Amino acid sequence: GAGVSQSPSNKVTEKGKDVELRCDPISGHTALYWYRQRLGQGLEFLIYFQGNSAPDKSGLPSDRFSAERTGGSVSTLTIQRTQQEDSAVYLCASSLWAGLGNSPLHFGNGTRLTVT
Amino acid sequence: DQQVKQNSPSLSVQEGRISILNCDYTNSMFDYFLWYKKYPAEGPTFLISISSIKDKNEDGRFTVFLNKSAKHLSLHIVPSQPGDSAVYFCAASGEGGATNKLIFGTGTLLAVQP
Repeated sequence: GAGVSQSPSNKVTEKGKDVELRCDPISGHTALYWYRQRLGQGLEFLIYFQGNSAPDKSGLPSDRFSAERTGGSVSTLTIQRTQQEDSAVYLCASSLWAGLGNSPLHFGNGTRLTVT
Repeated sequence: DQQVKQNSPSLSVQEGRISILNCDYTNSMFDYFLWYKKYPAEGPTFLISISSIKDKNEDGRFTVFLNKSAKHLSLHIVPSQPGDSAVYFCAASGEGGATNKLIFGTGTLLAVQP
């Protein structure tokens, strides 16, 4: 399909383990975003990539969280030493360019992470 | 502190009637507002947006109204259809020029009864 693809769709992990979440943005989209939604909460910004610029990591909640984007396309969000409060739906989005005015975000279906 | 607030967690309307979803914000630096719609197990999809230089934007059955002095926006859906049943998120951007970092509300679950 032509949409944003995320994998896995569901992940259950034990507390203390590391997890990797993957995002394939829409081809040609230069901007990529990670958000998360915890139960009963709104979407929370985590990190943003735009082309070859340094990512905006201002939303990452702790140094256990990191993300990279290889070749300006696929992105991986890594959570080390997972904690129960990391349980959430992790959403990836991409947009054609960085200006939101005429370039809305296209979201994937998310990865539901459950830390037991 | 929640900069974008959707105080109604849920709303139920009858098919054919108007749905009005409300959103309040606290940051006067926000200059662009969007509504996203989310079905279960899917990611949010863009619905409609409005720039702070306007007070109304219409797209088919969907109209967004912006009242800057009250820091309030609303989404009107008329006529409502059962397929509109979803969670609606209000989002804002522009704080400190960070136009690429949306601040989302907590969402309102709309149920349109046939």
